[in-house]
Amino acid sequence: KAGVTQTPRYLIKTRGQQVTLSCSPISGHRSVSWYQQTPGQGLQFLFEYFSETQRNKGNFPGRFSGRQFSNSRSEMNVSTLELGDSALYLCASSSQGVSGDTQYFGPGTRLTVL
Amino acid sequence: KQEVTQIPAALSVPEGENLVLNCSFTDSAIYNLQWFRQDPGKGLTSLLLIQSSQREQTSGRLNASLDKSSGRSTLYIAASQPGDSATYLCAVGDSNYQLIWGAGTKLIIKP
Repeated sequence: KAGVTQTPRYLIKTRGQQVTLSCSPISGHRSVSWYQQTPGQGLQFLFEYFSETQRNKGNFPGRFSGRQFSNSRSEMNVSTLELGDSALYLCASSSQGVSGDTQYFGPGTRLTVL
Repeated sequence: KQEVTQIPAALSVPEGENLVLNCSFTDSAIYNLQWFRQDPGKGLTSLLLIQSSQREQTSGRLNASLDKSSGRSTLYIAASQPGDSATYLCAVGDSNYQLIWGAGTKLIIKP
């Protein structure tokens, strides 16, 4: 069974630009969560989707948005990039979501904002 | 607001020793607790998941315990090996479909 895949693996953008990250969950998983990891703040929850519905959103500005498609693939978008958005963005998939079962993580997308 | 703390932040032990990593949380109303390891520059690998109704889980040389009433979990690693060197993170699953994370313990196993 293929694991969680994230594309691209690395991105370099400049301030003010926009970026879209993609996450393909394990086949059959309907829940996809997104997390931001930085050296200063650690891992922070961005949002969770289940069957195309956003069930929760973390404490991030509206510049961070996401969506999930009918095949469970998910994208997150960050508009008007800031230097502080430089981070490793991780997505996780599971059958039922955080409250039910193990979360399987992808390798992450490392975003650098110059 | 749930807060998760991991102590120590870093730990260095000789190969072959048994060791315990600690995780504490402030709100006992959790769905589950997961332990992960993260190797430098890589994603997270799930090690063990303990549901709120369980007291412990075991996988190979790893054993994780959960005491909800005291807000504590421990990860026991038996007969440590250099390949166990990584950052170990615990995360609490709550009713809002999110994981709340500790800052991690960086473990170094010296050959």
